[in-house]
Amino acid sequence: AQSVSQHNHHVILSEAASLELGCNYSYGGTVNLFWYVQYPGQHLQLLLKYFSGDPLVKGIKGFEAEFIKSKFSFNLRKPSVQWSDTAEYFCAVTLRRGSQGNLIFGKGTKLSVKP
Amino acid sequence: DTGVSQNPRHKITKRGQNVTFRCDPISEHNRLYWYRQTLGQGPEFLTYFQNEAQLEKSRLLSDRFSAERPKGSFSTLEIQRTEQGDSAMYLCASSFGANTEAFFGQGTRLTVV
Repeated sequence: AQSVSQHNHHVILSEAASLELGCNYSYGGTVNLFWYVQYPGQHLQLLLKYFSGDPLVKGIKGFEAEFIKSKFSFNLRKPSVQWSDTAEYFCAVTLRRGSQGNLIFGKGTKLSVKP
Repeated sequence: DTGVSQNPRHKITKRGQNVTFRCDPISEHNRLYWYRQTLGQGPEFLTYFQNEAQLEKSRLLSDRFSAERPKGSFSTLEIQRTEQGDSAMYLCASSFGANTEAFFGQGTRLTVV
């Protein structure tokens, strides 16, 4: 079965530190890739997405992610985090073919940024 | 607010009772999804509608669960004879067409006591 792995359960950083959150998926076919963010008390919001084209994707709030097909990875990065980035981050995939577009999520990574 | 709306936001029920949740998707979205999220886990897919047709159900969706989307607009998710293991956040999402992003509601948190 298809799955998504997020390697870090909880990451604690100081403001201005760089961030990289790992995400790997297991599926040999073509996928769409997403990062969603959930700020405390709020709903899941799309941070960025990759469907095709340039594998380096830029999202909102200075986040970016790189799709490396050979590694089945879609890691999230931000060069300098802020206290307001404290949230839970979810990597997700949908299958291009053979699915109805339902998202397969990782378990999430909780990011705590110390001021 | 024209986003995805879910009601109620919180529901506490006694074991064995039936509960029903409602989701109002973004108006022009033809696809509607239900997910369940428990503590420490990512959301897990439950079921999917395209317009009024329920096209896919996860094996997570036991016979006690039923979902409808009667006119292709709002959807309801009913859980009959609730169990403590049903305690979770139930999320609704909608999208327009295939290979597009899904927009999520704030969820309904169910606690079964």
